[in-house]
Amino acid sequence: AQSVTQLDSHVSVSEGTPVLLRCNYSSSYSPSLFWYVQHPNKGLQLLLKYTSAATLVKGINGFEAEFKKSETSFHLTKPSAHMSDAAEYFCVVRGGSQGNLIFGKGTKLSVKP
Amino acid sequence: DVKVTQSSRYLVKRTGEKVFLECVQDMDHENMFWYRQDPGLGLRLIYFSYDVKMKEKGDIPEGYSVSREKKERFSLILESASTNQTSMYLCASMEWGQETQYFGPGTRLLVL
Repeated sequence: AQSVTQLDSHVSVSEGTPVLLRCNYSSSYSPSLFWYVQHPNKGLQLLLKYTSAATLVKGINGFEAEFKKSETSFHLTKPSAHMSDAAEYFCVVRGGSQGNLIFGKGTKLSVKP
Repeated sequence: DVKVTQSSRYLVKRTGEKVFLECVQDMDHENMFWYRQDPGLGLRLIYFSYDVKMKEKGDIPEGYSVSREKKERFSLILESASTNQTSMYLCASMEWGQETQYFGPGTRLLVL
């Protein structure tokens, strides 16, 4: 069965410093993995997705994630945090009996000035 | 741009009431989904539909039902609302054969 584990429920960084949001996955086959972002009082928006092409995936707003099969990880990074990055981030794997999305519990990112 | 709209942003209902949450998408997507989002639990799938009049149970269907009479509209029904159904409800749509889901802004439901 497919699953994802987000290792931190809350991450706090200063503006201009790097962002690292950690995600490990479990899958019996090559997974499709996603990161979604939810800004306060807004719907979820796709940041990026990995579907077995390049292992380094670039997304919107300067975010990227690297698929590491040996570590079963799909961590989200950004070189320099901006105040507008403050949001909740969800790591997601496609799985289940119907190929539906399975969400992690979320990581809330705070950005200090 | 894909647009998914939900009928209400905030809703307050009383225990035992029948509640309808409506979702409409404008991109002719075959697949539509209802999730609930609770702090510390992420999103959990309630029901989904891959065609008109078709529905499938997700991970937590108990206490809910759905209706899909038209392709663009997917309704979530709480037959008799209970306080443990207080939550944020998110609707999503997806084109058949694709993997990206597009989400509405959510309905925050409070059951008193």
